[in-house]
Amino acid sequence: ETGVTQSPTHLIKTRGQQVTLRCSSQSGHNTVSWYQQALGQGPQFIFQYYREEENGRGNFPPRFSGLQFPNYSSELNVNALELDDSALYLCASSLELPVTDTQYFGPGTRLTVL
Amino acid sequence: GIQVEQSPPDLILQEGANSTLRCNFSDSVNNLQWFHQNPWGQLINLFYIPSGTKQNGRLSATTVATERYSLLYISSSQTTDSGVYFCAVGYTYNNNDMRFGAGTRLTVKP
Repeated sequence: ETGVTQSPTHLIKTRGQQVTLRCSSQSGHNTVSWYQQALGQGPQFIFQYYREEENGRGNFPPRFSGLQFPNYSSELNVNALELDDSALYLCASSLELPVTDTQYFGPGTRLTVL
Repeated sequence: GIQVEQSPPDLILQEGANSTLRCNFSDSVNNLQWFHQNPWGQLINLFYIPSGTKQNGRLSATTVATERYSLLYISSSQTTDSGVYFCAVGYTYNNNDMRFGAGTRLTVKP
């Protein structure tokens, strides 16, 4: 148990739809990062939030957006879903910024886009 | 570009055997972590080890930052050690972005 939870566990959407994934960080952790893990690959960094502001972004288009809330929860929103968005989405929290500390991952949300 | 390379990509062991997993990285790091991903997708942090050596039970890790590599040692392997092991690094000039290697898939047979 890492103390990081994600919902839902699984999700099926169709191409063009929008999806919101949720993450609840460990209490006191000010930093949350989101990753996309395609089948058979390592996780890829999407973006990071620190104290409710975006603090770094990977090579993902603007249709991937996020929010972080004061209660240590966060959201990943994906608009105009594409087939290639099918993946395991992971959130990770850490105590502070910069990320020179241990990251704790949630169990992930498996998104399937048909 | 930034490279994180893990070897071997696949490893099959008999229960009780020892193994060494390697992670090479192409730039200075201020963060290096080893993770184990179980068959259900959960990533469990094993070590935060940007430099030096750490041990936790049957697992130990060593990072030689000046030579840009890290090693994960698994001794007396058990079937529950099966899964994918990832190395992830944070780079000095952009440490918001943890870069993961492609992983080593370990299968421990009874």
